[in-house]
Amino acid sequence: EPEVTQTPSHQVTQMGQEVILRCVPISNHLYFYWYRQILGQKVEFLVSFYNNEISEKSEIFDDQFSVERPDGSNFTLKIRSTKLEDSAMYFCASSPRQGYQPQHFGDGTRLSIL
Amino acid sequence: AQTVTQSQPEMSVQEAETVTLSCTYDTSESNYYLFWYKQPPSRQMILVIRQEAYKQQNATENRFSVNFQKAAKSFSLKISDSQLGDTAMYFCAFMKLNTPLVFGKGTRLSVIA
Repeated sequence: EPEVTQTPSHQVTQMGQEVILRCVPISNHLYFYWYRQILGQKVEFLVSFYNNEISEKSEIFDDQFSVERPDGSNFTLKIRSTKLEDSAMYFCASSPRQGYQPQHFGDGTRLSIL
Repeated sequence: AQTVTQSQPEMSVQEAETVTLSCTYDTSESNYYLFWYKQPPSRQMILVIRQEAYKQQNATENRFSVNFQKAAKSFSLKISDSQLGDTAMYFCAFMKLNTPLVFGKGTRLSVIA
């Protein structure tokens, strides 16, 4: 069964540094999402992306964050200047179209900011 | 805004027994989907089951079934014949048309041998 792939599985970064989290969505999917889960808390929506542009973003997704689909397969989340509170599990998800389609999640990237 | 509430932070069940996890939600929408996701210690997010709000019949997937009460805005998950591999965090999630998932805070389920 096709999977959403995320790399790296664990990223350790110094505060203030830029970090890029990578995702390869399922190949025929058109809608892409990033979610965040701070340790011990619920999963929170960050941003959704369709047709090469952001379709929706949450209050968490401020100017420090950006997303990009640089080629036909990758979907990236960049954090420009990381803060301690950015430490979390970041999940990429994709769905074939909007509407009532379940989103398929990757295994997540654990981001640790020192 | 939609909210999802899971009132049981932790639960435990004996192996082979049945357990029910509770979820309530708040929405003014009439058409939406509800989901249960499982997150084992490996931290993956795995879809367990989904329910369309317009369907009266409760969804079932093998040992997993839901009790969907639309008027009460309740969506509980029943796990029958619990197995050690069911030990995980379970998240209830809501989705209306063309919007992201909204998750509850989760219920940590421990299956005891």
